[in-house]
Amino acid sequence: NAGVMQNPRHLVRRRGQEARLRCSPMKGHSHVYWYRQLPEEGLKFMVYLQKENIIDESGMPKERFSAEFPKEGPSILRIQQVVRGDSAAYFCASSSQWRTSSGNTIYFGEGSWLTVV
Amino acid sequence: DQQVKQNSPSLSVQEGRISILNCDYTNSMFDYFLWYKKYPAEGPTFLISISSIKDKNEDGRFTVFLNKSAKHLSLHIVPSQPGDSAVYFCAASAPNAGKSTFGDGTTLTVKP
Repeated sequence: NAGVMQNPRHLVRRRGQEARLRCSPMKGHSHVYWYRQLPEEGLKFMVYLQKENIIDESGMPKERFSAEFPKEGPSILRIQQVVRGDSAAYFCASSSQWRTSSGNTIYFGEGSWLTVV
Repeated sequence: DQQVKQNSPSLSVQEGRISILNCDYTNSMFDYFLWYKKYPAEGPTFLISISSIKDKNEDGRFTVFLNKSAKHLSLHIVPSQPGDSAVYFCAASAPNAGKSTFGDGTTLTVKP
């Protein structure tokens, strides 16, 4: 499967615990994006990363959330001290290149559903 | 400030008829637009895109129209099929900005 791979698909955490969501981009893609979908809402951009670099984190909450995309291995979205309001679907997407004049299509994974109890 | 808006939360059409999903944007810097389809408990699937240098792009049953002066785009599905029932998201991006900004989605129901 050469698509965007996310795991775990479902994650249950108690309030105050940490959640780690992983994303392996499509083969040949070096750009990763994280989006969040809260219940009954649309897709909200969180962060955009290239290998070892955060390009745009304008959508990341200021506290408790962090993301990385190391030279080797998957991208990781980390949520510390989770609260009930963090319960959502977290989608990772990837693209092959920086935005060109002809546009840039991003491809999504199946998502990780976080439930905080 | 929501830069991409899908003002119709839901749309219901009869099988075989045309489905028209609408999207408005406010950021005049946007120059690339995309439509995604999403089934429950799955990730969004890319459908079709259009660059601002065009006003129409067609792929099979799906056609996207772009009206730059009105900052409006629409997705036409002809003929609609029950399997098209899903949430459709409109997205837009600007030059030198890797991210895409999404609307809140329109739930399409195609009735047999």
